Amino acid sequence: DVKVTQSSRYLVKRTGEKVFLECVQDMDHENMFWYRQDPGLGLRLIYFSYDVKMKEKGDIPEGYSVSREKKERFSLILESASTNQTSMYLCASSSSTYGYTFGSGTRLTVV
Amino acid sequence: DAKTTQPPSMDCAEGRAANLPCNHSTISGNEYVYWYRQIHSQGPQYIIHGLKNNETNEMASLIITEDRKSSTLILPHATLRDTAVYYCIVRPLPSGGSYIPTFGRGTSLIVHP
Repeated sequence: DVKVTQSSRYLVKRTGEKVFLECVQDMDHENMFWYRQDPGLGLRLIYFSYDVKMKEKGDIPEGYSVSREKKERFSLILESASTNQTSMYLCASSSSTYGYTFGSGTRLTVV
Repeated sequence: DAKTTQPPSMDCAEGRAANLPCNHSTISGNEYVYWYRQIHSQGPQYIIHGLKNNETNEMASLIITEDRKSSTLILPHATLRDTAVYYCIVRPLPSGGSYIPTFGRGTSLIVHP
């Protein structure tokens, strides 16, 4: 089974801190994605990557950056965390057949 | 990309079939219908996908209309653990390139005793 592992299940950070959310997949997928999910808003795409060192902005990239130095790892970076970035963050990777496989999510609280 | 429309919520009695509809009237010929579900506080989980034929697996059945403009996900004997948000999306195969499907708000299914 494909596994997508997110490094933290729950995270509490202070306003202004630099935050790293890590995601690792073990099935050699080319494509990886970061979403955030807020009540009533569904899943919104932040950034995605088709290959190592490649990245594309999604629908809501402001305040975020990403890094993909290795194929299996896709990191989401909050340069200066703000309270409006309190959310559930979901990482996913995709194959050609079974669509997306998601991680368990990281619930980030910025205080 | 094709958009999908789903009812925001549904409920179902435990042991009965849950039928979740999805409209995708602008679907293209090369786009597949995928269903995912998200149990509270977890990431979405793949359920099933299909192109134009009906599909069945251990989790569910997928019925796609002949004109492919709508589909229905069927959970034949719903259990309390099927309470979740169900997402219907369309996407072409194979993946990669520039196609990024949109996850809408899905249907919140509540299975009650």
